[in-house]
Order: sequence, then C-alpha cells, then structure tokens
Amino acid sequence: SAVISQKPSRDICQRGTSLTIQCQVDSQVTMMFWYRQQPGQSLTLIATANQGSEATYESGFVIDKFPISRPNLTFSTLTVSNMSPEDSSIYLCSGMGQDYQETQYFGPGTRLLVL
Amino acid sequence: AQSVTQLDSQVPVFEEAPVELRCNYSSSVSVYLFWYVQYPNQGLQLLLKYLSGSTLVKGINGFEAEFNKSQTSFHLRKPSVHISDTAEYFCAVSATGNQFYFGTGTSLTVIP
Repeated sequence: SAVISQKPSRDICQRGTSLTIQCQVDSQVTMMFWYRQQPGQSLTLIATANQGSEATYESGFVIDKFPISRPNLTFSTLTVSNMSPEDSSIYLCSGMGQDYQETQYFGPGTRLLVL
Repeated sequence: AQSVTQLDSQVPVFEEAPVELRCNYSSSVSVYLFWYVQYPNQGLQLLLKYLSGSTLVKGINGFEAEFNKSQTSFHLRKPSVHISDTAEYFCAVSATGNQFYFGTGTSLTVIP
C-alpha cells in the first residue's frame, strides 16, 4: 500500500484568497488524483494530476480555479484560487500505481473553511 | 460508464449485532470493486477489494464482502460490530483501474 500525506490538514481562509495544498506519496505512483468532498457528501473527482504536463480536469472544474502541478512521480499540489464560501470542503489526494493492484490510496484530506 | 448505488444513507445498529451495508453497481464491462471507510475527520482507508478470483473477500477489522455478478452487488458485512466501527462507508467501482466511481456513502452508527 501507499502512505500519502497532505499539508495543511486544515485551514480557515478569507474569500478572494488562494490556498495551495500539497500531497506527498511515499513511493512512486503512476497516477495521482484530486477529489473534493463537500460536507456530508461523497467524493467528486476534480482532476487527474499528470507528471510534467497539464492536469486532466473533470466536467465542472477548470484550471484557472484549480491549478494543479505534478513535478515528479511522488508530489503534487492543488491550488484553490479566488476562494468563496462555496469552496469550503475537504480536499483529498490519492495515488495509484502498478504495484498497488488497481487500488487508490488516499491522503488524510485538507479541511478548508472559507469565510 | 459505471455507477454505484448505496441504498442506505444511514444504518444504526446495536453493538455486537451483525450489519450489512448494501452496494449495487451498474457496468457493461468487468469491474473492480472496493469498500472504503472514513472515520470522523480522517481520509479514506481501504477496507477490502475485489479484483478477481474468489467472490468472498475478507478485509480489515473483521469486515467481508461478497461479489455477486448476477445481482451486480457487493454488500459489506460484519457479524458483530463495535463502537469503533462508527464511520462513513463508501463503495466504489472501477472498470479500467483508473477512473473510480463512488457511492454516496452509508453512515454506520453503532449504538452502545
């Protein structure tokens, strides 16, 4: 299995500001993903983070709002830009690799509250 | 595309009683199936998974699930629950191993 860490674990931000969330995996993964989990709801995939190229975004999510970087196989960042209270959510990253038998492993999440 | 239905949004159960959390999926191709647990203020932890082989899968913390292809189900069971099992449980399906589709979750509350 993979051990995935995220920073920060939680934050309270003012509207109009931006927050960058970091995700670190303890071993190389072929794929990394970013999810949003709004209060009391299931997970919604934001994008697939591609190493060295632009992320692949799901419908309803755009690069200007959620820029993603993945400079290497073990690290990715998600920025939530120009935040509004509607962005208050848990943001989760996950990793999946050939050694993980088709399984996604998740980080502990970043709990974001936008005032 | 695939989809997952978790029919029970909330399941209260007394401590030491058995529990079953239901999961049904739809897919036109073969799938991989997963159950994840989310404890309060934590991320998702893998409970168990079905990739191939035996349809009865055993996971951590005494949980097990059975893949039923004819009924397109992957119900999660535990014969005797503990207070510590109180959490949110998510069923997920994947066809290619890349895109995961999650159910809406079942909140399990174990009553002392």
